[in-house]
Amino acid sequence: GEDVEQSLFLSVREGDSSVINCTYTDSSSTYLYWYKQEPGAGLQLLTYIFSNMDMKQDQRLTVLLNKKDKHLSLRIADTQTGDSAIYFCAESNSGGSNYKLTFGKGTLLTVNP
Amino acid sequence: GAVVSQHPSRVICKSGTSVKIECRSLDFQATTMFWYRQFPKQSLMLMATSNEGSKATYEQGVEKDKFLINHASLTLSTLTVTSAHPEDSSFYICSATGQGGTDTQYFGPGTRLTVL
Repeated sequence: GEDVEQSLFLSVREGDSSVINCTYTDSSSTYLYWYKQEPGAGLQLLTYIFSNMDMKQDQRLTVLLNKKDKHLSLRIADTQTGDSAIYFCAESNSGGSNYKLTFGKGTLLTVNP
Repeated sequence: GAVVSQHPSRVICKSGTSVKIECRSLDFQATTMFWYRQFPKQSLMLMATSNEGSKATYEQGVEKDKFLINHASLTLSTLTVTSAHPEDSSFYICSATGQGGTDTQYFGPGTRLTVL
């Protein structure tokens, strides 16, 4: 079945850029997502990218997609302490009727002052 | 837009009782709702998918008689954990699609269930 892999931990200094990486196996993925989860909360959709795009930028967030290598990354510029959270990469395949998401295990981002 | 709420946010119950969790899409009609379970420091595990007016589709290994899902309207789905046991204690999160015709899932804030 489909699989999504992420590194589990990332630690950066406040003001630096953070880059969270993700790889996936489903070559027919349609959309790829980044979600943020703060402690005890649900998932907040940060951004998503359609599989025919290479890059998407939204304020401090930049998503890069290498479809050939099935590699997705999320770059957070000028990382702040409020960015500390778990970040989940997810992919969906709209070939099915219910658009199921397959999640990675999440990357815990720690921002040090 | 695309706000999903869950109620309650936290519930503690005794073993053997049933607990109902509601998931609502507040500003859009949700054609499909999903129920997930999340264990501490782990990713989300999809339990079931429900479409309004039809029976839910459960993932392999999820007991449909234990986790009853009802999707009675385009803005409300409920998950009932029947005869709860301590091993059912978990964080339950719902999501909904239907906003803007895309398959983007918008998540609720989650419900923390503790079974004593």
